[in-house]
Amino acid sequence: NAGVTQTPKFRILKIGQSMTLQCAQDMNHNYMYWYRQDPGMGLKLIYYSVGAGITDKGEVPNGYNVSRSTTEDFPLRLELAAPSQTSVYFCASSSHYRGETEAFFGQGTRLTVV
Amino acid sequence: GENVEQHPSTLSVQEGDSAVIKCTYSDSASNYFPWYKQELGKRPQLIIDIRSNVGEKKDQRIAVTLNKTAKHFSLHITETQPEDSAVYFCAGAGGYQKVTFGIGTKLQVIP
Repeated sequence: NAGVTQTPKFRILKIGQSMTLQCAQDMNHNYMYWYRQDPGMGLKLIYYSVGAGITDKGEVPNGYNVSRSTTEDFPLRLELAAPSQTSVYFCASSSHYRGETEAFFGQGTRLTVV
Repeated sequence: GENVEQHPSTLSVQEGDSAVIKCTYSDSASNYFPWYKQELGKRPQLIIDIRSNVGEKKDQRIAVTLNKTAKHFSLHITETQPEDSAVYFCAGAGGYQKVTFGIGTKLQVIP
């Protein structure tokens, strides 16, 4: 049971480049989330999804896009990378069936935009 | 939607003393309140949780209390040790609401 898997672990992007952060979970969770965490700061919600085909904005969605074509995968797309997007990104998932709402996190992606 | 407020943002205690972190929530429909610990450079991980039908839960040196009437819950760490130094996040969730996190508390245990 792998849990939540994020790739890559580290990435350096140049300003204006694009990339996709991958996130996959094998727990059949219906909810998935993307957070960013700046140094010494808390978790800021970028986007979340309550199920395949459904996504919604969090507090800081600008500059990002997501899709949820399957229950397992929830990729995060950065179209035009900016230095302000330098951060650690965490993907998480949770199940809201039978009151099981614990969130499980991936190991994080450290992104630097130069 | 749910709003979770957490305080203090930073907390320093002497080794062996107790630490208390407090959170409040806004949505009375929330019924699940987990606490996460994030060590430096690592992902947040669940350390303890409490459901709305319970007022207190304890696991060795950590305990969580919940007051549904006042909509607040707290994390208590007794006999703190240097390895307790980390960032702690509270969260609220319930039904089909997404999990909502507090801003985090950076706990420093001074040897």
